[in-house]
Amino acid sequence: GNSVTQMEGPVTLSEEAFLTINCTYTATGYPSLFWYVQYPGEGLQLLLKATKADDKGSNKGFEATYRKETTSFHLEKGSVQVSDSAVYFCALSRGSGGSNYKLTFGKGTLLTVNP
Amino acid sequence: NAGVTQTPKFQVLKTGQSMTLQCAQDMNHEYMSWYRQDPGMGLRLIHYSVGAGITDQGEVPNGYNVSRSTTEDFPLRLLSAAPSQTSVYFCASSQGGARGGELFFGEGSRLTVL
Repeated sequence: GNSVTQMEGPVTLSEEAFLTINCTYTATGYPSLFWYVQYPGEGLQLLLKATKADDKGSNKGFEATYRKETTSFHLEKGSVQVSDSAVYFCALSRGSGGSNYKLTFGKGTLLTVNP
Repeated sequence: NAGVTQTPKFQVLKTGQSMTLQCAQDMNHEYMSWYRQDPGMGLRLIHYSVGAGITDQGEVPNGYNVSRSTTEDFPLRLLSAAPSQTSVYFCASSQGGARGGELFFGEGSRLTVL
């Protein structure tokens, strides 16, 4: 079956540090890949996505590249801010059509950025 | 823009009680779902619906019922609450099709079962 494994936290960084949160997946076929973010006390929000191999998703300074050869979708940001403190979830769906709305989530990684 | 609205935000139940978590969306999305979030477990799919009158089980459906009589509403019913159902529950909706993986979440409902 489908599964997502992401780096366990918590991750604590200083402002302006470089961020990487690792994510690898197991899936049949050609899944779409997502990063969602959950700010304290809120629901999840889509941060970025990639729907095919070598696609790069980007938003708010965050980037992730869909690497089929390594089954990975690592999240990166060059310079984090205090406002980036949140829980980050990697997720996959089974791609276009069919049950593409049924997501499999990783366990989440708590990021804390200190001033 | 209301998006996805969940009520109540907080609820405390005693073991054996029943209750309904409400979820409504105003985006005319076909797909709606319920997830539970537990520490160290991520989000797990409870039930989902691909349209009015159509529901199906997710990964952890036991102890929960759903129905979808309208496009807008997707309530989650706990028939006889157990301490293992203490969790944060999230409702989500999606347009489906090529954007199916883009879920819009409510703010969550924190349930404690004593």
